[in-house]
Amino acid sequence: GESVGLHLPTLSVQEGDNSIINCAYSNSASDYFIWYKQESGKGPQFIIDIRSNMDKRQGQRVTVLLNKTVKHLSLQIAATQPGDSAVYFCAENAGGTSYGKLTFGQGTILTVHP
Amino acid sequence: NAGVMQNPRHLVRRRGQEARLRCSPMKGHSHVYWYRQLPEEGLKFMVYLQKENIIDESGMPKERFSAEFPKEGPSILRIQQVVRGDSAAYFCASSPPPRNNEQFFGPGTRLTVL
Repeated sequence: GESVGLHLPTLSVQEGDNSIINCAYSNSASDYFIWYKQESGKGPQFIIDIRSNMDKRQGQRVTVLLNKTVKHLSLQIAATQPGDSAVYFCAENAGGTSYGKLTFGQGTILTVHP
Repeated sequence: NAGVMQNPRHLVRRRGQEARLRCSPMKGHSHVYWYRQLPEEGLKFMVYLQKENIIDESGMPKERFSAEFPKEGPSILRIQQVVRGDSAAYFCASSPPPRNNEQFFGPGTRLTVL
């Protein structure tokens, strides 16, 4: 079936480095994508989103890139800080009859070393 | 503006008992979603509700699980005759119309079945 998955389950970086978290999706009908951050014992926290009519979107210290040709999504975090340590999930929505239903990837654990 | 609220935060039940999980959406949000998360996995969609209506329940198990979002009061996810495999974190999210792609999550209810 259609699914969203991540290339790397874990990522360790030094404080101040840039981090890149990748995600592959298989549903070509997906038209909306979100990155969430989840800290231990908490619910997912919205980071940034992007619609399929865009290929890049920037927020505060974060950038999301969308490559529809190869069905790939990435999250770039600039100047990574220890507080960025968490599990990061990509999620996609296919719209249409699936409107409102988010499909999540398994997650990437980001560890930032001081 | 308070975020999405869920209670209880932790719930322990014995096999065969019933579990009731409550979710109060953010103020002004009329769309509610329930997701389940097993340890070290991503969130799995269960059900999407609007006030007094179930919009999409494609992720709900056919038996023992039900959800409602009454005109007044919180949304309820009900699990009858719980089994150990129901042990998981259950997250509720809400969104405002019409941009109901952007979902804001609550802190979750962690259900443990003994």
